Amino acid sequence: NAGVTQTPKFRILKIGQSMTLQCAQDMNHNYMYWYRQDPGMGLKLIYYSVGAGITDKGEVPNGYNVSRSTTEDFPLRLELAAPSQTSVYFCASSYLTAPFTDTQYFGPGTRLTVL
Amino acid sequence: EDQVTQSPEALRLQEGESSSLNCSYTVSGLRGLFWYRQDPGKGPEFLFTLYSAGEEKEKERLKATLTKKESFLHITAPKPEDSATYLCAVHPTSGTYKYIFGTGTRLKVLA
Repeated sequence: NAGVTQTPKFRILKIGQSMTLQCAQDMNHNYMYWYRQDPGMGLKLIYYSVGAGITDKGEVPNGYNVSRSTTEDFPLRLELAAPSQTSVYFCASSYLTAPFTDTQYFGPGTRLTVL
Repeated sequence: EDQVTQSPEALRLQEGESSSLNCSYTVSGLRGLFWYRQDPGKGPEFLFTLYSAGEEKEKERLKATLTKKESFLHITAPKPEDSATYLCAVHPTSGTYKYIFGTGTRLKVLA
């Protein structure tokens, strides 16, 4: 089991450029998440997905888009990158069936700098 | 509003000096509380899940406890390799998808 994988590890973008952060999981989890982590702040939820074809906004979705065509993959798209999107991005997944809880497993992160 | 607060923000300990990290939470209902360890430049690594008040879990030098308002992560006789940021997260009953994270405690253990 590779768990949750993310690519790339690091990326530098110029203002206005676009890119896609890749995330994949091999645990057959239904829920997948994208977070950003800024220094001194907690993890902020950008988007989440409850299964293939279903996505929804989290706390800080502006400037981002997602898709989920398969159970395994959950890419995050940045359009027109801005300096405010400089952050570390984490993908996570879990297997949730209400009303129960489950552990979220995290990927290694992508460190993005927008100049 | 659901909320998680961790204290202290940072903690420096001598090797062998035991201490506790605090995670206070306010939620309408709790599905579970999670502790993670995060090393610099890496993703959070799962440590424990606690489900109900009175529950305790242990792993090596770490012990997590839970009450109705807070959780403690006790570190007994820490070693330098325990240096990391420790994150607390709660999964409230309001909203199936939603986990709320604290800002973490940065622990430094000096040899």
